Amino acid sequence: DTAVSQTPKYLVTQMGNDKSIKCEQNLGHDTMYWYKQDSKKFLKIMFSYNNKELIINETVPNRFSPKSPDKAHLNLHINSLELGDSAVYFCASSQTDGGHEQYFGPGTRLTVT
Amino acid sequence: DQQVKQNSPSLSVQEGRISILNCDYTNSMFDYFLWYKKYPAEGPTFLISISSIKDKNEDGRFTVFLNKSAKHLSLHIVPSQPGDSAVYFCASFSSGTSYGKLTFGQGTILTVHP
Repeated sequence: DTAVSQTPKYLVTQMGNDKSIKCEQNLGHDTMYWYKQDSKKFLKIMFSYNNKELIINETVPNRFSPKSPDKAHLNLHINSLELGDSAVYFCASSQTDGGHEQYFGPGTRLTVT
Repeated sequence: DQQVKQNSPSLSVQEGRISILNCDYTNSMFDYFLWYKKYPAEGPTFLISISSIKDKNEDGRFTVFLNKSAKHLSLHIVPSQPGDSAVYFCASFSSGTSYGKLTFGQGTILTVHP
């Protein structure tokens, strides 16, 4: 009964390919996020969606495109993958009128070769 | 521009003793602070938080202290247990800026020895 789930957990692909990571939350939250944890272990926000509307869009290459079909889902599509995209990507969710706590998924380890 | 810093990459503590993890921030607009715990191959798990209107928040074995003038917060774990061994991230939030944006430190690896 996972609160925030991501698929796949591991993704190995070649440069130039296009891939997607899916995220779903069953917490009833109205805000979802994508974070990237790079090789130096920093967790940095990439995007935030509130009620399917883009709220935060950090300085991320436009090869990355989030899509939120509904409040419970936020998918991340990456075009023309590059070596530097190798990282762990975390999805998270929170409730607007709750505290500021965000609940994270287990992460997707993306390796670009 | 690293606005949240955890200057100790690692900390080693004996079981039963106190663990103190530190975090410094530079942005005076931050008004809410959180600690997350992360096990390998899992996502960060929320642990405890504190608002800038308080200087202490306690939850069981975990206490967070906030010193606004020094722009410093710390997490105390008493008594430490081997299951507490994990990476601990502090995170900061500004309610006046980008909605929902948490800024994380780089983490401290805590090892609690039996």
